[in-house]
Amino acid sequence: GAVVSQHPSRVICKSGTSVKIECRSLDFQATTMFWYRQFPKQSLMLMATSNEGSKATYEQGVEKDKFLINHASLTLSTLTVTSAHPEDSSFYICSARDEILETGELETQYFGPGTRLLVL
Amino acid sequence: LAKTTQPISMDSYEGQEVNITCSHNNIATNDYITWYQQFPSQGPRFIIQGYKTKVTNEVASLFIPADRKSSTLSLPRVSLSDTAVYYCLVGQVDSSYKLIFGSGTRLLVRP
Repeated sequence: GAVVSQHPSRVICKSGTSVKIECRSLDFQATTMFWYRQFPKQSLMLMATSNEGSKATYEQGVEKDKFLINHASLTLSTLTVTSAHPEDSSFYICSARDEILETGELETQYFGPGTRLLVL
Repeated sequence: LAKTTQPISMDSYEGQEVNITCSHNNIATNDYITWYQQFPSQGPRFIIQGYKTKVTNEVASLFIPADRKSSTLSLPRVSLSDTAVYYCLVGQVDSSYKLIFGSGTRLLVRP
């Protein structure tokens, strides 16, 4: 299957600072990427849809000024957690759609390995 | 978006076949079903997906009845390393393509 990478894999920062997380599709291009957040023992929660060349679409309850998303190329989306606070500590996961299909194929969404954020 | 319902947890033993059923009663015509596996502190890993009938790959089979209101992921001869959370998702073939995760099924494989 297609490969999605994330960087960094884990990050520790002080409260009030900003943290940038990168999501890359390594062997395919993706006009659409997604950002999720997962707290311990819980399921993934969709935060936003990242669209190449246009503004991201945020889910209800997600602050767009706090979670800045930039999708500057067909292989890279970034999530910046601004003015991070301890409650932002979580596991952030991105995914990307493999949109090039062979006849009869269904679109598949591939996930990155996740980024563990700890805000002190 | 079609909502999915799965058992919260399942137990099995090594070497057994495990079947996890997912209900998606309000699945739409354009929806298809995808299953993911997630280990702790890792991103979900794609297992299998399908639209109708049966799909099989090297790791699992997916059974979808004619009414498509449910689907069953079948894992043949599970091993300890199959202990994970399994998510059933219903996605639409349209421009949004959002996947909304339910609670998933925690599968525990015992020796």
